[in-house]
Amino acid sequence: QAVLTQPPSVSGAPGQRVTISCTGTSSNIGAHYDVHWYQQLPGTAPKLLIFADTDRPSGVPDRFSGSKSGTSASLAITGLQAEDEAVYFCQSYDSGLNGRGVFGGGTKLTVL
Amino acid sequence: QMHLVQSDSEVKQPGSSVKVSCKASGGSLRNHGITWLRQAPGQGFEWLGGILPLLGAANPTPTFQDRLALTADETSTTAYLELTSLTFEDTAVYFCARDGTHYRGAFDVWGQGTLVTVSS
Repeated sequence: QAVLTQPPSVSGAPGQRVTISCTGTSSNIGAHYDVHWYQQLPGTAPKLLIFADTDRPSGVPDRFSGSKSGTSASLAITGLQAEDEAVYFCQSYDSGLNGRGVFGGGTKLTVL
Repeated sequence: QMHLVQSDSEVKQPGSSVKVSCKASGGSLRNHGITWLRQAPGQGFEWLGGILPLLGAANPTPTFQDRLALTADETSTTAYLELTSLTFEDTAVYFCARDGTHYRGAFDVWGQGTLVTVSS
């Protein structure tokens, strides 16, 4: 059972915008811990997409953006492309776990 | 650019142990922490614990503390995870990941994963 809650799946047509939510509690996201987002293509290791709620590592297109409010965070993908089809995970930290990391269960993005 | 290269897949019997390695290629682990995670088939990630190779300081998650050892070699190029008393529930892909010092601790480099299958 994942600590952070994500929708199991989302979908969108090429060129559209989709958002993926990540809901936590007052002991993790709501405690102002950073939220990071990863993209995992089938059979591969995850790739860092967004760190510290809103920042992008170099090389990540600006089609990907992150936001956070209260106990939730969101990943937005604009100008959807076929290669965006992947599983997306959010990650934060939890004061009840001595600051250890917690993950969402992952959201499968399907590009129609 | 540093890469993390993990050891090959393993098949283990219940009750046995497994040791997975994570070698830094093109760099050193001296200035970074390494976190170990696992992903059971079709599931999300489970946090196992971390180590600071330079100091040899390990912090396994309490859930696994009795049967998990996280170590690193003295040259700080390879980190190891050893899990004992394996059960079927330990079947998963095990990942090492580098704590990104420029990314507020987010994992900026990942190993390719090591599949550990526990089967009788």
